[in-house]
Amino acid sequence: GAVVSQHPSWVICKSGTSVKIECRSLDFQATTMFWYRQFPKQSLMLMATSNEGSKATYEQGVEKDKFLINHASLTLSTLTVTSAHPEDSSFYICSARAPDGFGFFGPGTRLTVL
Amino acid sequence: DQQVKQNSPSLSVQEGRISILNCDYTNSMFDYFLWYKKYPAEGPTFLISISSIKDKNEDGRFTVFLNKSAKHLSLHIVPSQPGDSAVYFCAASRGDKLIFGTGTRLQVFP
Repeated sequence: GAVVSQHPSWVICKSGTSVKIECRSLDFQATTMFWYRQFPKQSLMLMATSNEGSKATYEQGVEKDKFLINHASLTLSTLTVTSAHPEDSSFYICSARAPDGFGFFGPGTRLTVL
Repeated sequence: DQQVKQNSPSLSVQEGRISILNCDYTNSMFDYFLWYKKYPAEGPTFLISISSIKDKNEDGRFTVFLNKSAKHLSLHIVPSQPGDSAVYFCAASRGDKLIFGTGTRLQVFP
């Protein structure tokens, strides 16, 4: 089956630093990738839709200047949390859409901002 | 505005019995519904889906029922196994976007 990887799987950083999370589709090309965020005991919230070669589409309430998304190739999308603060601590999950239209999720990245 | 709701945050079921997880939605434009299983610190794993033109889809121990008039879907797991213990999310889609419910933690005890 299709595989989506995320790197790193967990990261701890100091407040004010930036953190980059990578999402890769390993055996298929994904023109569209999605970034989700999950707070403890809450639902997965769609943050943005990333399209290869164009600007990401952000959901209402998501700061595009804080959560920078780049989809430079058909197999890689990156999410950069800029000037991270403790309230950004969360579990970030990407999803990549395979050519058959089905989406596959990455394993997630646990971000802890001290 | 929570468009997809799972009103039961947790469910406890004995091994071998049926687990029924419920999900309600408000947007009649959703055309596809999915159930995911999630373990802590892992990404969701797809379980089963159903198109809005159907009312039932079955895959092994998992069956999803869709009641469009009530805007309600449910996931039945029969028989339940301890390995089924996880958080289950329902999701609804319109186009590319997936809207997730808040999840139900299922615990299957021996």
